[in-house]
Amino acid sequence: EDKVVQSPLSLVVHEGDTVTLNCSYEVTNFRSLLWYKQEKKAPTFLFMLTSSGIEKKSGRLSSILDKKELSSILNITATQTGDSAIYLCAVVVGAQKLVFGQGTRLTINP
Amino acid sequence: NAGVTQTPKFQVLKTGQSMTLQCAQDMNHNSMYWYRQDPGMGLRLIYYSASEGTTDKGEVPNGYNVSRLNKREFSLRLESAAPSQTSVYFCASSEKGASYEQYFGPGTRLTVT
Repeated sequence: EDKVVQSPLSLVVHEGDTVTLNCSYEVTNFRSLLWYKQEKKAPTFLFMLTSSGIEKKSGRLSSILDKKELSSILNITATQTGDSAIYLCAVVVGAQKLVFGQGTRLTINP
Repeated sequence: NAGVTQTPKFQVLKTGQSMTLQCAQDMNHNSMYWYRQDPGMGLRLIYYSASEGTTDKGEVPNGYNVSRLNKREFSLRLESAAPSQTSVYFCASSEKGASYEQYFGPGTRLTVT
């Protein structure tokens, strides 16, 4: 059974801190890994990672894939209250299939 | 462009009632998806449609049916609702499949009593 596990499940930090969110996977047919941010409603796309060791960056957010360790991390530097959200990791396991992790609920306190 | 729209936003059903959740996208995407999101479980794929005229089961299809009415619209039907189907339902679309960015609708919060 394909499985994606995120840790921690919940994290509370102060504004300005740096956070690292983890995603590990155990799937039969890995194609790529995606990160989504979910605020109040619909998830929105952050990154897609297909190659090991290549960092994707967007402003204060960055992510890297480690295919040897079957994992990925999402880093957020200089956190702001607007970064408070659920961060979802998903692995593409087929032409049409994504398997999602449980999500990490990140809360940034001012 | 509205992106992906879903109706209704909220619904309360009694056990055994039926209903259809509607989804439409205006991005000319080929692939459409229905997910459910339960606390602590992330998103789980119910059904997907790779292209107009095709549908296929995802991870948790039992108790649901779908129709890809045309390229724009993909509906999800609950024939006889059960309390275990209480969840938030998201529709999504992508250009050509799971390896492309998926765009999600705002969700439908369904409660079955």
